[in-house]
Amino acid sequence: GESVGLHLPTLSVQEGDNSIINCAYSNSASDYFIWYKQESGKGPQFIIDIRSNMDKRQGQRVTVLLNKTVKHLSLQIAATQPGDSAVYFCAENMRGGSQGNLIFGKGTKLSVKP
Amino acid sequence: NAGVTQTPKFQVLKTGQSMTLQCAQDMNHEYMSWYRQDPGMGLRLIHYSVGAGITDQGEVPNGYNVSRSTTEDFPLRLLSAAPSQTSVYFCASSSVLYGYTFGSGTRLTVV
Repeated sequence: GESVGLHLPTLSVQEGDNSIINCAYSNSASDYFIWYKQESGKGPQFIIDIRSNMDKRQGQRVTVLLNKTVKHLSLQIAATQPGDSAVYFCAENMRGGSQGNLIFGKGTKLSVKP
Repeated sequence: NAGVTQTPKFQVLKTGQSMTLQCAQDMNHEYMSWYRQDPGMGLRLIHYSVGAGITDQGEVPNGYNVSRSTTEDFPLRLLSAAPSQTSVYFCASSSVLYGYTFGSGTRLTVV
């Protein structure tokens, strides 16, 4: 099976509750941030992104918050569902997302209990 | 289906063997990159390319070569496989409008 979840921080939530996944990024020059979801045996899947000129962005059931002062990023998932169970990664980029290299965090494993 | 296609999905190599991991995208993206993912870690950049004929090293390039002769293809070559290269490898392409798209990965085991 997929071994990407080994040794990762784990967040366990009850189905229907809200989830908050946190990420500390490394470079104050980063200007573009992305949250990815990775299910077992699959590649990272884009969830939501945010640019450094914003501090909040909302999608469908997801919200990303950016605090540049403390270099902190969070992903909020509303009404968490079993299908949300996966490893979640934040990534930062210094060229607005169009080019340049993504720097990934180590990931958080979200486990949703039915 | 549009996207990033990686082959093979699984591979077992003996130490010292060489092989090429294939990556192809049909979205006409200029930027392509290769990452490796080890247990308990995020993805780490191996090599990247900003367009045909242009490649550069990422965070962990040793033991790997790349080339970019066309916009569509970005193969990753392992010159002499070592057990430390056992990992899951992901290829990605990106554009200004559509961000990053990742392939489904190649699981490589070196024995």
